[in-house]
Amino acid sequence: EIVLTQSPTTTAASPGEKVTITCLASSSVSNMYWYQQKSGASPKLLIYSTSSLASGVPDRFSGSGSGTSYSLTINTMEAEDAATYYCQQWSSNPLTFGSGTKLEIK
Amino acid sequence: EVQLVESGGGLVQPGRSLKLSCAASGFTFSNYYMAWVRQAPKKGLEWVATISTSGSRTYYPDSVKGRFTISRDNAKSSLYLQMNSLKSEDTATYYCARQMYTTALDYWGQGVMVTVSS
Repeated sequence: EIVLTQSPTTTAASPGEKVTITCLASSSVSNMYWYQQKSGASPKLLIYSTSSLASGVPDRFSGSGSGTSYSLTINTMEAEDAATYYCQQWSSNPLTFGSGTKLEIK
Repeated sequence: EVQLVESGGGLVQPGRSLKLSCAASGFTFSNYYMAWVRQAPKKGLEWVATISTSGSRTYYPDSVKGRFTISRDNAKSSLYLQMNSLKSEDTATYYCARQMYTTALDYWGQGVMVTVSS
């Protein structure tokens, strides 16, 4: 099983600040997917195929990476971006998620 | 508009069974893989099952293999999850999700709560 380790576990950012969340895979994966989950809501797809923006997602979000190291970047933090973020892979069975990064607004 | 609406959750005793349903609308259901993902209270996301477009292929993690069965009825645009031999650790909110082949989960339902307790 491929274990995805996210860092940081929790972080806070001020409006306008740049935020980067990292996802390290225990083995190489071909692509990474990122989800946003706001409190009390269902997860929402943000990034697919490592760097493609899902429909309706603001372009302040971006994804990058390869092999075992991937990242999600929010270029300029907004209050509405406060949420928990998860990475996900299915290059190898089983499909796995990272444990999540909680992002708060300062 | 893509809509996924889960139903069938509730309180069930350990060892008993429960069947979840997911009604899909707003897209051609038979063209998409579908999945179930769960989230225990205050915990992260855990994949539970995926089914191919025709239903001929199913995928499970070891944690539910042999106990859970995913199925679909393309004529009814419906997805199902039959859960047998339920354990307390199966307590979670269960989400139905549309899956882009064997990759991303691009639309999610609102979730249905399953509580396994005596």
